[in-house]
Amino acid sequence: GESVGLHLPTLSVQEGDNSIINCAYSNSASDYFIWYKQESGKGPQFIIDIRSNMDKRQGQRVTVLLNKTVKHLSLQIAATQPGDSAVYFCAEYGNTGGFKTIFGAGTRLFVKA
Amino acid sequence: ETGVTQSPTHLIKTRGQQVTLRCSSQSGHNTVSWYQQALGQGPQFIFQYYREEENGRGNFPPRFSGLQFPNYSSELNVNALELDDSALYLCASSRDLNTGELFFGEGSRLTVL
Repeated sequence: GESVGLHLPTLSVQEGDNSIINCAYSNSASDYFIWYKQESGKGPQFIIDIRSNMDKRQGQRVTVLLNKTVKHLSLQIAATQPGDSAVYFCAEYGNTGGFKTIFGAGTRLFVKA
Repeated sequence: ETGVTQSPTHLIKTRGQQVTLRCSSQSGHNTVSWYQQALGQGPQFIFQYYREEENGRGNFPPRFSGLQFPNYSSELNVNALELDDSALYLCASSRDLNTGELFFGEGSRLTVL
């Protein structure tokens, strides 16, 4: 069935360190993944996306890695800042029985000063 | 910030009542989707509309219904409210069906007593 999950509910990192947030998916036909950041009291905000024809994609201070063999993706945040504190969701977008976006449960990132 | 606005921001209803939530999409976006987010969980996909037609639906009962208007604004209607319907309802718009990059509003917080 459709599911997108995360390995850890919380992650605590020191300011300036790199953060890695992991996500697993179950549908081997899934081919389009997106990472969102949600700050308290706000709606989710798009960070970066990746399609299955790529293994890696980089943005500003963020990198997403996709391992289709083990159905795993990760979000890496370089030089983590206090403003990165939020809940991070991986999501899958596809057209199986209709277009839909399936979100994982989220990982809360705490950045220690 | 995202150009997506939702109303009302907060509302309280009693069990059995009906509610209508509204969303104004970002200019130029023809696709809108709705999500239910319970406290501490990821957004759950309700349905998606593209050019005024529903083209994807999640596992929600028929008492959850929607509309997309010619100007691409949207409504979510929930009939026969239940206590478990208490949640944050998020609306998101996107440019078209080919992208999973969603632009979210800040949500409508519904409390059912």
